[in-house]
Amino acid sequence: NAGVTQTPKFRILKIGQSMTLQCTQDMNHNYMYWYRQDPGMGLKLIYYSVGAGITDKGEVPNGYNVSRSTTEDFPLRLELAAPSQTSVYFCASSPLAGDTDTQYFGPGTRLTVL
Amino acid sequence: DAKTTQPPSMDCAEGRAANLPCNHSTISGNEYVYWYRQIHSQGPQYIIHGLKNNETNEMASLIITEDRKSSTLILPHATLRDTAVYYCIVRPAGGGNTGGFKTIFGAGTRLFVKA
Repeated sequence: NAGVTQTPKFRILKIGQSMTLQCTQDMNHNYMYWYRQDPGMGLKLIYYSVGAGITDKGEVPNGYNVSRSTTEDFPLRLELAAPSQTSVYFCASSPLAGDTDTQYFGPGTRLTVL
Repeated sequence: DAKTTQPPSMDCAEGRAANLPCNHSTISGNEYVYWYRQIHSQGPQYIIHGLKNNETNEMASLIITEDRKSSTLILPHATLRDTAVYYCIVRPAGGGNTGGFKTIFGAGTRLFVKA
């Protein structure tokens, strides 16, 4: 299993540009998440999904959109990039077995908006 | 709101046990304690979790006090590769509308393992 993969690894955007961060998992997990991590800080939840066709907002959803058309893929869309969105973005998935929720993270996408 | 308090940094000598404390005095009865770590520039990695009993796996041991208001992650024989930020997280059981998705990563403890 490749686990959780993210593309691209790095990206520089100009203010106002748009882009999609890709996330794919091959573990057949129903639950998927998008986090952002600013320098020296912890992770903040942007959006999450409990299964194909179902998504919901996390702590910091403004400026982002998501979709979940398949179990494997959970892309994150930035429509009008702003400098405040400069961050490292992590995708994660989990099987949510019983009462516990062990999350498996991808390697991250480092985004700079200039 | 951070539900946990951790020291910002700690040192440990290679080969010795690393004991990382976490205070979670407002923990509720159905909330689990999770530990993750993040090695520089990589995605966080799950280590261990527990409810009220002590737990051990191939990576670490988790000691939870009887009143559940604090816990300690123990890396029994720290190596240089254990240098990372360690996150202690308290979250409810389950997912969806029960709040199970509120996995809040605070600033964590930066552990330096020194040769």
